[in-house]
Amino acid sequence: DGGITQSPKYLFRKEGQNVTLSCEQNLNHDAMYWYRQDPGQGLRLIYYSQIVNDFQKGDIAEGYSVSREKKESFPLTVTSAQKNPTAFYLCATVRGTNYGYTFGSGTRLTVV
Amino acid sequence: KNEVEQSPQNLTAQEGEFITINCSYSVGISALHWLQQHPGGGIVSLFMLSSGKKKHGRLIATINIQEKHSSLHITASHPRDSAVYICAVIQGAQKLVFGQGTRLTINP
Repeated sequence: DGGITQSPKYLFRKEGQNVTLSCEQNLNHDAMYWYRQDPGQGLRLIYYSQIVNDFQKGDIAEGYSVSREKKESFPLTVTSAQKNPTAFYLCATVRGTNYGYTFGSGTRLTVV
Repeated sequence: KNEVEQSPQNLTAQEGEFITINCSYSVGISALHWLQQHPGGGIVSLFMLSSGKKKHGRLIATINIQEKHSSLHITASHPRDSAVYICAVIQGAQKLVFGQGTRLTINP
């Protein structure tokens, strides 16, 4: 079955460390997105990519970085510059205009 | 003020009740999503609609573009419907703007 795989499901990081969250899809979708969810708030866009080797900042990109070297993969690095990284991170893809989104199962990151 | 507002924020009902969750938005959109998020965190897309009404099983979604309002209805609610329901609107470049979510609890 086609879908999105996010790993790991739970991640613990020490303050000052960078950490990379994985998002892999086998749906052959062009566009991929990273969202952050905090308790009581709506999801917010971190970065998105509409094509390989190209990506754009979302609303809360500071402290994060991404790459899109392959269509299937859109990893997110949470850097030590991100002041409050503890959150739930969701990856999503969309096939194109007028199509629905597909979401991964998410990664819960906790800074200890 | 958020661009996408949902009401109520929390809703508790008894099994079998008819449920309505509302979503109002203040921006121009190309379409609107209703999403379901279970306690584990994963999100499932229930509907994407840009006009009128869609039905899937016990779920019905409606949208009024002129009034910038959408509703999600659940008929004959069941405890397994307990989840967070999220409204999200699609703006340019396929950008989603999310509501805060409505936490629904259905008691047996």
